[in-house]
Amino acid sequence: QVHLVQSGSELKKPGASVKVSCMASGYSFSNYYINWVRQAPGQGLEWMGWINTKTGEPTYGQGFTGRFVFSLDTSVGTAYLQINGLKADDTAVYYCARLWNWYFDLWGRGTLVTVSA
Amino acid sequence: SYVVTQPPSVSVAPGKTASITCGGDNIVTKSVHWYQQRTGQAPVLIISYESDRPSGIPERFSGSSSGDTATLTITRVEVGDEADYYCQVWDPSSDHAYVFGPGTKVTVL
Repeated sequence: QVHLVQSGSELKKPGASVKVSCMASGYSFSNYYINWVRQAPGQGLEWMGWINTKTGEPTYGQGFTGRFVFSLDTSVGTAYLQINGLKADDTAVYYCARLWNWYFDLWGRGTLVTVSA
Repeated sequence: SYVVTQPPSVSVAPGKTASITCGGDNIVTKSVHWYQQRTGQAPVLIISYESDRPSGIPERFSGSSSGDTATLTITRVEVGDEADYYCQVWDPSSDHAYVFGPGTKVTVL
């Protein structure tokens, strides 16, 4: 079975960094871009960007440049989202999602990142 | 950037039909995809390219698109269909290439 397995919830202080992982299983990791989607509490889905799993080249959506970093470890079929300089309004569930033909056909379960002093 | 609108909520009785709209400028020219998100769960693709259902999605879910409106239709609504529904389009002309609608909460009365 195909899955995207995400790391567990994180509680961080403002100004800290967090790194969320998304491990692919059951399919060839490099054949599909991995995207990141944010969902703030009680809010809708917001596309953050993607990473090309063949080249490692990231593309960041509007509002997600600077503090957000997408990376890969292809040896273990895993994509990462790092957020630096965390702020309270970064509190959200972060999903990784597999991109296929301009839609997201497979989603991870999400990782809750809570930023609180 | 491309803007997509959805009604915040739709209420429907069990066994009836629910229609959820997704509005955007000439949306018929764009590929529209639909996701279901039950409370506390990750989104699940239920319709791709306006009307294609992935394996395992009931035939009760269907989609269409015309002019400035795409529509997700759920027939013979069940209690388990209560969820948030999001449309999504791809807009390569802007930095915000993948655009989600604000979501519609479907409540089964």
